[in-house]
Amino acid sequence: SSELTQPPSVSVSPGQTASITCSGDKLGNKYACWYQQKPGQSPILLIYQDDKRPSGIPERFSGSNSGSTATLTISGTQPMDEADYFCQAWDSSSNYVFGTGTTVTVL
Amino acid sequence: QLQLQESGPGLVKPSETLSLTCAVSGGSISTNSYFWGWIRQPPGRGLEWIGSMSYTGSSYYNPSLKSRVTISVDTSKNQFSLKLSSVTVADTAIYYCASHRYSGYDFQGFASWGQGTLVTVSS
Repeated sequence: SSELTQPPSVSVSPGQTASITCSGDKLGNKYACWYQQKPGQSPILLIYQDDKRPSGIPERFSGSNSGSTATLTISGTQPMDEADYFCQAWDSSSNYVFGTGTTVTVL
Repeated sequence: QLQLQESGPGLVKPSETLSLTCAVSGGSISTNSYFWGWIRQPPGRGLEWIGSMSYTGSSYYNPSLKSRVTISVDTSKNQFSLKLSSVTVADTAIYYCASHRYSGYDFQGFASWGQGTLVTVSS
């Protein structure tokens, strides 16, 4: 089955840019999604099909995917962006696989 | 805007069957291109997709759980259900119901989620 690996944690200063990576075998050949989850809450879809934002998602969230790595970028990070972030991709054998998750801390 | 709400027992004994239902409001479960799924999250850990089904009966399951999982859709009640058999303590988790448009390569992400329900497996 496919595995998607993320760094356990990322720290960023308010107003700066945070980049969260998601690595997997030939991930660039698949579509990636990204979710934000705050403590005690359900996940929220931030990005789908690599770089599309659902309505209501701020423009500071953007996504890219190439080679074996998908990346979520948070531009102008705000204290409210402190949360766990999960990537996800579809694989023909494993279907919908989630990444290991990254905790973003806004210092 | 779709709203999803899980319901079911919060405590299940080992070897028994976990059963949960997800009520859908704000839209019809019989909408073409929509899939209805279950995802779980052990406390303090990551997300694991369990399976998804459309109202037409197209279904997809996590290979690691497939032998124990059944998902069904009830169009008359606008709800869908999860059954997970032969549970162990490892199945203790928050269980979320969620919806997504399209499947496979055209998948557009799990866009709507329920609030989640904690199911504990213990004797």
